[in-house]
Amino acid sequence: EVQLVESGGGLVQPGGSLRLSCAASGFTFRTYWMSWVRQAPGRGLEWLANVNQDGSEKRYVDSMKGRFSISRDNARNSLYLQINSLRAEDTAVYYCAREGGTYYVEYWGQGTLVTVSS
Amino acid sequence: QSALTQPRSVSASPGQSVTISCTGTSSDVGGHNYVSWYQQHPGKAPKLIIYDVSNRPSGVPDRFFGSKSGNTASLTISGLQAEDEADYYCCSYVGDYTLVFGGGTKLTVL
Repeated sequence: EVQLVESGGGLVQPGGSLRLSCAASGFTFRTYWMSWVRQAPGRGLEWLANVNQDGSEKRYVDSMKGRFSISRDNARNSLYLQINSLRAEDTAVYYCAREGGTYYVEYWGQGTLVTVSS
Repeated sequence: QSALTQPRSVSASPGQSVTISCTGTSSDVGGHNYVSWYQQHPGKAPKLIIYDVSNRPSGVPDRFFGSKSGNTASLTISGLQAEDEADYYCCSYVGDYTLVFGGGTKLTVL
């Protein structure tokens, strides 16, 4: 069974940084593209970034380039998202996701809540 | 990457059919056959229900049907059931390994 478990969320002050983690199990992690998607309270889904199987290719939504950094550690079956210069509008549930055979999200974690507030 | 356009809400009675549209551009929906749909119940993670425009993952009932014409994709749910009440999101490939979601549609089963 595919399992994706996010951690690292919490309350952060504006301007701060956070590193989210995602522990993957139940599949061969190193063979899949992985993504991060977020959802602000009461709002829709927003795709943020993805990374290829060996971590050599990374893509970001244009509005997040420079503040967000996605990475992975295949030895640890883990995905990461570093977020810098946090703003109130970054408050959201952040989902770790496994992509499918083409271009879609096949599996989702349960999400970790990031709250940016002073 | 601009969000795809979906109606904010749709509603129908049990047993009826409902269609949710997802409008993009020739750069996303119209340019690729990589539209997916997700169902999200309150407080839960999204769930994939359609991928590559019209394919259903194992376990998704055939009441869920995906299609595309030009720059607009559609999700049709037939034989509506109470448990279908949820938020639905479309998503499209926009090139260079990147994705964009629609704004979401709240389905109410009357």
